[in-house]
Amino acid sequence: AQSVTQLGSHVSVSEGALVLLRCNYSSSVPPYLFWYVQYPNQGLQLLLKYTSAATLVKGINGFEAEFKKSETSFHLTKPSAHMSDAAEYFCALNTGFQKLVFGTGTRLLVSP
Amino acid sequence: DTAVSQTPKYLVTQMGNDKSIKCEQNLGHDTMYWYKQDSKKFLKIMFSYNNKELIINETVPNRFSPKSPDKAHLNLHINSLELGDSAVYFCASSQETGHGGRSPLHFGNGTRLTVT
Repeated sequence: AQSVTQLGSHVSVSEGALVLLRCNYSSSVPPYLFWYVQYPNQGLQLLLKYTSAATLVKGINGFEAEFKKSETSFHLTKPSAHMSDAAEYFCALNTGFQKLVFGTGTRLLVSP
Repeated sequence: DTAVSQTPKYLVTQMGNDKSIKCEQNLGHDTMYWYKQDSKKFLKIMFSYNNKELIINETVPNRFSPKSPDKAHLNLHINSLELGDSAVYFCASSQETGHGGRSPLHFGNGTRLTVT
């Protein structure tokens, strides 16, 4: 079955520190992978996507993610956290049947 | 200009009532979706329509009935509301034909349904 696992329901960092949000997937076919961000009381907004082109994907707001097939991972990183990055982050997998499978989300907390 | 808009933003109602949530997208997308987000933030697809045709119908009670009058609109009607229906419902759209899966979803801001 297709699935996404996000390790850590909460991640806390200091402003200026590296952000690392983990995502592992399980898929029997080549996956399309996405990271979305959700700010309070808002819908989900696309950060970046992997669709079998370059394995290092750059997104908005300075985020990037690297697809590693050998590790079945698609971790999200940002070199330096800002206070405005505090939000809920979702990793999602689409196996090509118009159905996104979401991870359980990771809340990023940024302290001054 | 709002790309995917849903109304109402908040909906508070009593058990047993019938309610509808409306969704419209102005992106020209072919595919629209309804997702449910529970209190633990878990997101699960409910329905997907492609050009007004039902494509995905997950295991959702028959009390939930989507309707797509045209490809820019996908409404969700819920009969006999139950306490467990309380959640945030998100409408989304994507430019997806066939079974590609490459196109990202564009989400509305959600409708917070509270059943008392």
